[in-house]
Amino acid sequence: AQTVTQSQPEMSVQEAETVTLSCTYDTSESNYYLFWYKQPPSRQMILVIRQEAYKQQNATENRFSVNFQKAAKSFSLKISDSQLGDTAMYFCAFMRALYNTDKLIFGTGTRLQVFP
Amino acid sequence: DVKVTQSSRYLVKRTGEKVFLECVQDMDHENMFWYRQDPGLGLRLIYFSYDVKMKEKGDIPEGYSVSREKKERFSLILESASTNQTSMYLCASTEAGGLTNQPQHFGDGTRLSIL
Repeated sequence: AQTVTQSQPEMSVQEAETVTLSCTYDTSESNYYLFWYKQPPSRQMILVIRQEAYKQQNATENRFSVNFQKAAKSFSLKISDSQLGDTAMYFCAFMRALYNTDKLIFGTGTRLQVFP
Repeated sequence: DVKVTQSSRYLVKRTGEKVFLECVQDMDHENMFWYRQDPGLGLRLIYFSYDVKMKEKGDIPEGYSVSREKKERFSLILESASTNQTSMYLCASTEAGGLTNQPQHFGDGTRLSIL
């Protein structure tokens, strides 16, 4: 069975600073996908970034980037130039690479507070 | 943009009631999911569906059932609501993507309280 662990229940960062959220996972699969989702106070879950396990290059999306370490089964999210709008719950998620689709397995989340 | 709409943002029901949570998506997605979100536990999958009239159990299906009579609509049913089903419920959908997994699109959630 696959598991996803987020060891930081809460984090805080000052506006314009950089913060890194940790995520580790456990799986015996060789091909899979990893995601970071953001859930602001409005509650809608929004995809931030995704990484295919077969790609060695780390994914980036504007101010968001990941550090994907496949051997260590680590998938951290770095937020650069933090903004007040980044305040949210962040979930790391895992999905096997199957035909069509598969369920997402989520971590317990990290609540990020960005201070002015 | 994909729109996933959950019929209620907040719902209060009584123990023993039969409760229906509705979810509609407007992008002709084949796959739909129901998750439950609890503090400290993240999101856990209750049921999912790959096609009309098709359903598969997720990790915590006990006490729940689902219905998918039309492609755009996926209903979660609490047969006899209990207080331990008080939670946030999130619906998601995604298109069929062959070997390429598409990200799931989520609704705004229904916060359900069972008294």
